[in-house]
Amino acid sequence: DVKVTQSSRYLVKRTGEKVFLECVQDMDHENMFWYRQDPGLGLRLIYFSYDVKMKEKGDIPEGYSVSREKKERFSLILESASTNQTSMYLCASKLGGAQGYTFGSGTRLTVV
Amino acid sequence: GQNIDQPTEMTATEGAIVQINCTYQTSGFNGLFWYQQHAGEAPTFLSYNVLDGLEEKGRFSSFLSRSKGYSYLLLKELQMKDSASYLCAVRDQYGGATNKLIFGTGTLLAVQP
Repeated sequence: DVKVTQSSRYLVKRTGEKVFLECVQDMDHENMFWYRQDPGLGLRLIYFSYDVKMKEKGDIPEGYSVSREKKERFSLILESASTNQTSMYLCASKLGGAQGYTFGSGTRLTVV
Repeated sequence: GQNIDQPTEMTATEGAIVQINCTYQTSGFNGLFWYQQHAGEAPTFLSYNVLDGLEEKGRFSSFLSRSKGYSYLLLKELQMKDSASYLCAVRDQYGGATNKLIFGTGTLLAVQP
């Protein structure tokens, strides 16, 4: 069965810390995505990547960066965590073409 | 701009039929997806429409009208386990690099006995 694995289910970090959220997929998918999900706002795209070392900004990239050194791994980096980055973070991947996403289980990040 | 609208909440009775509507206005269109998300879990894929008409998959069906920017998800023979959020999402580009999904805020469906 295909899998997208996010390294942590729950995280608590302090304001100003650098935070790494890791996502790994075992499906040889080209495209990977990071979303955050907040009540009343739905899923909002932060960054995505369509190939190794390639990245594009989504709708809300401010305060975040990403890294994709290997095809299977896509990392989201919060350079200096702030309380407004408290959220559920969802990673997803897909093949090219008309395919749906496969989501990871999510990481609920709390910044205190 | 990009806009996807769906009702915030719906309630239905076990065994009944419920229709969840979604309207969209996006700069491009290459398919509409429905996802189911139980509380605290990841969204899971339900259906995909790219041409006008109805797609049926067991108890779930999804309809698309591209000219009206409209879709609905139909759930038949409702079960308690169908209580979840249902997310409508539009793919905004043809293939290529920028084939990302834009999501609505989701419809929270509560199925009552």
